[in-house]
Amino acid sequence: QKEVEQDPGPLSVPEGAIVSLNCTYSNSAFQYFMWYRQYSRKGPELLMYTYSSGNKEDGRFTAQVDKSSKYISLFIRDSQPSDSATYLCALLIGGYQKVTFGIGTKLQVIP
Amino acid sequence: NAGVTQTPKFQVLKTGQSMTLQCAQDMNHNSMYWYRQDPGMGLRLIYYSASEGTTDKGEVPNGYNVSRLNKREFSLRLESAAPSQTSVYFCASSGQQGLASPLHFGNGTRLTVT
Repeated sequence: QKEVEQDPGPLSVPEGAIVSLNCTYSNSAFQYFMWYRQYSRKGPELLMYTYSSGNKEDGRFTAQVDKSSKYISLFIRDSQPSDSATYLCALLIGGYQKVTFGIGTKLQVIP
Repeated sequence: NAGVTQTPKFQVLKTGQSMTLQCAQDMNHNSMYWYRQDPGMGLRLIYYSASEGTTDKGEVPNGYNVSRLNKREFSLRLESAAPSQTSVYFCASSGQQGLASPLHFGNGTRLTVT
């Protein structure tokens, strides 16, 4: 079993839709949870970074962490064509430098 | 502010050739990393350097060597390239050692080994 599971998609949605992206993990030692966005032929860029269970909102983006279920989500409201990218979840055990990544979900927002 | 800069952007090698991928960061970060990204496999850590003067193996270190030249620069060397090393290579850096600090990535080097 992989430490982090993420559906690779692709996921196609119409412009304006609410998008839900998810990851599950198996190691309860993970304490820090991140979402990265990666445009084609570019490096991943940090989108959201959370520590505790619950929700964190930043504009149209909401990151949700449920440590009891080992489940993390990223919601995108009012999705735009510019949101078309691959979204990677990333998890970190506190005190260690090594981040564990999901394989990424490719999202396409259709105008 | 350039962030993390990788050179070259593209490279084609023949089996058995060697090359060095260069990475430099201007964010005064202590930690630096090399990842490879392959379809269906995601990002996998090759080597990392928690601070200047230290390097450690990651998940897939075989066939690679690294050098932390100074605080800014971290290079990855392929001594004898193999087709299995065809991949996109990303360098990343992060802030304080021992704390949970997000990674900042360069835009990658696309390597093909024929």
